[in-house]
Amino acid sequence: DQQVKQNSPSLSVQEGRISILNCDYTNSMFDYFLWYKKYPAEGPTFLISISSIKDKNEDGRFTVFLNKSAKHLSLHIVPSQPGDSAVYFCAADLYNYGQNFVFGPGTRLSVLP
Amino acid sequence: DVKVTQSSRYLVKRTGEKVFLECVQDMDHENMFWYRQDPGLGLRLIYFSYDVKMKEKGDIPEGYSVSREKKERFSLILESASTNQTSMYLCASRGTSGKGELFFGEGSRLTVL
Repeated sequence: DQQVKQNSPSLSVQEGRISILNCDYTNSMFDYFLWYKKYPAEGPTFLISISSIKDKNEDGRFTVFLNKSAKHLSLHIVPSQPGDSAVYFCAADLYNYGQNFVFGPGTRLSVLP
Repeated sequence: DVKVTQSSRYLVKRTGEKVFLECVQDMDHENMFWYRQDPGLGLRLIYFSYDVKMKEKGDIPEGYSVSREKKERFSLILESASTNQTSMYLCASRGTSGKGELFFGEGSRLTVL
């Protein structure tokens, strides 16, 4: 059973609009969450993270929101750009730092010009 | 700039062949990981290592082994390749400081015929 779920395999958004990618998790012990972006034929690259002591973290056009009670996090991209078209993976980590990353299945974002 | 280098971007092997995938990182990271990425399944952990000569099984270790003789190098070995091991293999490393994120290589696309 997947501990980290991304229920939307794909998402299409118009350039300039907001992209919202969702992620749900089942293990309440997760305390650190990350988003990765992956282009075809490349390795994933780190985008943004959030600790469970926060409910929001912002970095430029990217904002991650965490709702611990709902075991839900979301990544907002505003405004969306064609270069944001990629697969986005949500990942969760346990407190012992580094050996228990769990990844979701990914959401393919297409930003249409 | 941080770098994780995987020796082969694309490989084609036959069923039963032995396959070596090499990974080198230049960040002096303690932790190194091997994942495989398959559509709809995200990234699944095969093995990880938290120190030289140390290794731990991940979620899907069957059919794989690893070797870490030097801190910077982590090898994934398929003793007898099978068609269900056709996949994208991603190596990653992680230190104990910074944002705690994984740094990934560009991936090795393995096809087993």
